[in-house]
Amino acid sequence: QVQLKESGPGLVQPSRTLSLTCTVSGFSLTSYAISWVRQPPGKGLEWIAAIWSGGSTDYNSALKSRLSISRDTSKNQVLLKMNSLQTEDTAMYFCARSEDYGGSDYWGQGVMVTVSS
Amino acid sequence: DTVLTQSPALAVSPGERVTISCRASESVSTGIHWYQQKPGQQPKLLIYGASNLKSGVPARFSGSGSGTDFTLTIDPVEADDTATYFCQQSWNDPLTFGSGTKLEIK
Repeated sequence: QVQLKESGPGLVQPSRTLSLTCTVSGFSLTSYAISWVRQPPGKGLEWIAAIWSGGSTDYNSALKSRLSISRDTSKNQVLLKMNSLQTEDTAMYFCARSEDYGGSDYWGQGVMVTVSS
Repeated sequence: DTVLTQSPALAVSPGERVTISCRASESVSTGIHWYQQKPGQQPKLLIYGASNLKSGVPARFSGSGSGTDFTLTIDPVEADDTATYFCQQSWNDPLTFGSGTKLEIK
């Protein structure tokens, strides 16, 4: 069955780089897009980045200079890197599957990332 | 970027009909999707492409609209529908979410 699972450090120091991994099963990364979405505590959803089925990428305008998304199809993994972390980057980070430019029909449970010294 | 505007909160009684709106700052054709999120859970896709009901979602949920104005309708509302509802557009890059509408069932 379709599954997505996020992994990464729970705590990151300010100004450091965050690396998150989304490991998927039950489908091929060359057939579906993967998006990263984050949600600060008590706030709404913010779309961060996507890697489309063909391998092209898109980024949130405000975060673009700090982001990198890539994938390893042999490992069924999508990697998100965000540099220069600040306290406002504290959030639950989700990865989600969609058809290219479609709704996200499967989501991971999320990983909580806290930025603090 | 395309801004999606949602009213912050609504309160209705069980059995009533509720409409949740999402207005886009520019045309998104029918590239709007609706999600339900309950506290402590990941979002759940309800409607994709403005009006297509995701398999397994109760037919009480429906979506409509095109261009800049969209609506999610729940009819009739049940107590379990207490949640925050988000719209998302995937027509224009970058993708964006609305700020969410918190639905309270009285």
